[in-house]
Amino acid sequence: LAKTTQPISMDSYEGQEVNITCSHNNIATNDYITWYQQFPSQGPRFIIQGYKTKVTNEVASLFIPADRKSSTLSLPRVSLSDTAVYYCLVERNKLVFGAGTILRVKS
Amino acid sequence: ETGVTQSPTHLIKTRGQQVTLRCSSQSGHNTVSWYQQALGQGPQFIFQYYREEENGRGNFPPRFSGLQFPNYSSELNVNALELDDSALYLCASSDRLAGGPRNEQFFGPGTRLTVL
Repeated sequence: LAKTTQPISMDSYEGQEVNITCSHNNIATNDYITWYQQFPSQGPRFIIQGYKTKVTNEVASLFIPADRKSSTLSLPRVSLSDTAVYYCLVERNKLVFGAGTILRVKS
Repeated sequence: ETGVTQSPTHLIKTRGQQVTLRCSSQSGHNTVSWYQQALGQGPQFIFQYYREEENGRGNFPPRFSGLQFPNYSSELNVNALELDDSALYLCASSDRLAGGPRNEQFFGPGTRLTVL
């Protein structure tokens, strides 16, 4: 299974754009890149998924370079409620979670 | 549309006991996955059930077992509880027949198990 590596934690301020980068050097051809968000004492929640180039939805954007060995989750204008753990996964049939990135948004 | 529900919310057991956790999948979903999340770590995959059959298993011993029922709800059973089994147990449902790669999994709120 492809392993992902992402920063342990990041700090930001309200209104800023936050970019969290994940590396997945041994991603396979059929793998998709998926990001989940988790608040304390809750289950993870799907944010966005992509295969290549750029994907955007109402919550975030996902940038994937041509070699697909990394990806960047972009959260525009974060608020205090975006404080959570963000997981990058290379998905086949089973979700394999790493430790995730703890994002702290300050006022 | 009802989301994924889990019961109980919290549970305290002693070492050596057995526990059963329950999960009701989201309406229309035929696949249920179970995860164990220790404090400060990401969820770890235990196993997945698709149409009442086990469809993959993570690195967990046989004392972790499961069932999926015809209505796609599911149970996780853990025998001979150990202190290290203390964790948040998450259930996630998805629709395997939805097609495409997305296979978005919808998680329940979890059951917090404490083993003393």
